[in-house]
Amino acid sequence: GESVGLHLPTLSVQEGDNSIINCAYSNSASDYFIWYKQESGKGPQFIIDIRSNMDKRQGQRVTVLLNKTVKHLSLQIAATQPGDSAVYFCAEKTQAGTALIFGKGTTLSVSS
Amino acid sequence: NAGVMQNPRHLVRRRGQEARLRCSPMKGHSHVYWYRQLPEEGLKFMVYLQKENIIDESGMPKERFSAEFPKEGPSILRIQQVVRGDSAAYFCASSPLAGEQETQYFGPGTRLLVL
Repeated sequence: GESVGLHLPTLSVQEGDNSIINCAYSNSASDYFIWYKQESGKGPQFIIDIRSNMDKRQGQRVTVLLNKTVKHLSLQIAATQPGDSAVYFCAEKTQAGTALIFGKGTTLSVSS
Repeated sequence: NAGVMQNPRHLVRRRGQEARLRCSPMKGHSHVYWYRQLPEEGLKFMVYLQKENIIDESGMPKERFSAEFPKEGPSILRIQQVVRGDSAAYFCASSPLAGEQETQYFGPGTRLLVL
């Protein structure tokens, strides 16, 4: 079946370091991917998305990389700050274009 | 521009009662999605609605759960005869259009606790 998963449940970094959060997906037909950030007690917040016709997309302090050959997605956060501490989810769109399929999330902890 | 709004933010019900969760999409958005999140897990799709129509309810439990998005007013997720296993965070998302590459924007969620 379709699924999206993450490699590590937790990631701890020092303030100012770069963070890399990884995600593997299994459905080679998925062609749209999104990273969300979820802080405690809040809803998922859109960070960045990427379409399958791209392999890299940059935002403010964030970069998403897509490797369709190995079905791997990563989120890079530059100069990580304490405010980046949250759970990060990758999600993919189904072929029907209706539901987002979420992985279980990676908890990022940033220490000062 | 207000984002997706959900209320109540917290809801406590006893077993057997009904729970009604409301969602107002972002202005200009006519597509609403409901997801459920259990503790320590990712979100799971439940249902997708457009105004007055259920488009995809493949993630909805067959019994006790229903959803609507009337012509006027918010979308409602209704859970009848709640059980403890219904305790979860319920999130609503909206998008302006449908399609494979439309971003869904989420509300703050309703946290349901069934005693």
